[in-house]
Amino acid sequence: EDQVTQSPEALRLQEGESSSLNCSYTVSGLRGLFWYRQDPGKGPEFLFTLYSAGEEKEKERLKATLTKKESFLHITAPKPEDSATYLCAVQAAGGTSYGKLTFGQGTILTVHP
Amino acid sequence: KAGVTQTPRYLIKTRGQQVTLSCSPISGHRSVSWYQQTPGQGLQFLFEYFSETQRNKGNFPGRFSGRQFSNSRSEMNVSTLELGDSALYLCASSLVGLRDEQYFGPGTRLTVT
Repeated sequence: EDQVTQSPEALRLQEGESSSLNCSYTVSGLRGLFWYRQDPGKGPEFLFTLYSAGEEKEKERLKATLTKKESFLHITAPKPEDSATYLCAVQAAGGTSYGKLTFGQGTILTVHP
Repeated sequence: KAGVTQTPRYLIKTRGQQVTLSCSPISGHRSVSWYQQTPGQGLQFLFEYFSETQRNKGNFPGRFSGRQFSNSRSEMNVSTLELGDSALYLCASSLVGLRDEQYFGPGTRLTVT
């Protein structure tokens, strides 16, 4: 069964204090790994898709990386507006889970001014 | 351009009833997917429709069904509602499918009493 584990569950940072969120996964072949941001009361907002180990993508203060077993979302010099729940998801490429999306429980990030 | 819209935004139903939720994707998007979000289970994938055909399906019982119309609008139906079906139901659309950047709607909050 495909599994996605995100850590930590919650992270409190001071403005400007860089850190990383982790997403460990077990999947029957990886079609894609996705990062989303979700603000309270809203639907998730797409951030990145990573397709293969070694791939990296950046957007403003965020950088996502991918290995064969995990992905990291690095947040550089965060601002209070970066506070949100960050979700990781994987799409399976094989077996009975082909095509299905599996989400992690999310990391709640709070950035204090 | 207009985002993904979902109706209704809030719904209260009684156990045993059935419910139909509606999703209008972004113009030009042919893929529509549905998700259930609860505090305990997090975000879970229900199914994806593309060009009126169900292309991928998550691990939910047959009480959960959906369809897509020729204009890409989609509906999700839940029959014989149970208390555990209380959740936020999210719809997302994309140009070509789950590997593509998905745009989420605001969700429908369903409460089953």
